[in-house]
Amino acid sequence: SQTIHQWPATLVQPVGSPLSLECTVEGTSNPNLYWYRQAAGRGLQLLFYSVGIGQISSEVPQNLSASRPQDRQFILSSKKLLLSDSGFYLCAWSDPRGRAYNEQFFGPGTRLTVL
Amino acid sequence: QKEVEQDPGPLSVPEGAIVSLNCTYSNSAFQYFMWYRQYSRKGPELLMYTYSSGNKEDGRFTAQVDKSSKYISLFIRDSQPSDSATYLCAMSAYNNNDMRFGAGTRLTVKP
Repeated sequence: SQTIHQWPATLVQPVGSPLSLECTVEGTSNPNLYWYRQAAGRGLQLLFYSVGIGQISSEVPQNLSASRPQDRQFILSSKKLLLSDSGFYLCAWSDPRGRAYNEQFFGPGTRLTVL
Repeated sequence: QKEVEQDPGPLSVPEGAIVSLNCTYSNSAFQYFMWYRQYSRKGPELLMYTYSSGNKEDGRFTAQVDKSSKYISLFIRDSQPSDSATYLCAMSAYNNNDMRFGAGTRLTVKP
């Protein structure tokens, strides 16, 4: 069966510090991968998605970046965090060979607080 | 206007009540409509999906889509305390990379 991992689970960082969040998927190959941010009362905002190694699409211009160094690894980074980067960050995967609606499976999330 | 509108609640009901959760949307290209359930401090999990207009039933849950009104609903019958969670609607056109989520409605079912 497939599983998705995210770490760390929680993170408290000062403004201006760098960020690296990691997401890995097990039990599947060539998944589509996604990074979302969830702010209180604002739903899920798609930040990045990737259809393959080294292929990253950005949905929202910001000080965040994403990379996919391996097939099942997705990394969210920032060189300098802003207060507005606080939120709940979710990684998700979907099977591009699956059913038409391509169900997205979410990880447990990382709660980031920028102080 | 947001692409997907969902009342964030909170919504509190007694155990056994029928719950109605709703979303409206503006993009007529949306064809796939989903409901996700998210427990506190967890990632969302898919609960129901519907393609185009119509109804779909799964146990105590019924999803309805009215594309003419751009309105979708999730009904929960005989609600249980374990149904207490945030429910997010989501929708997409054919390309799933373009899925849009509502803000989520926080539901509490009191025993």
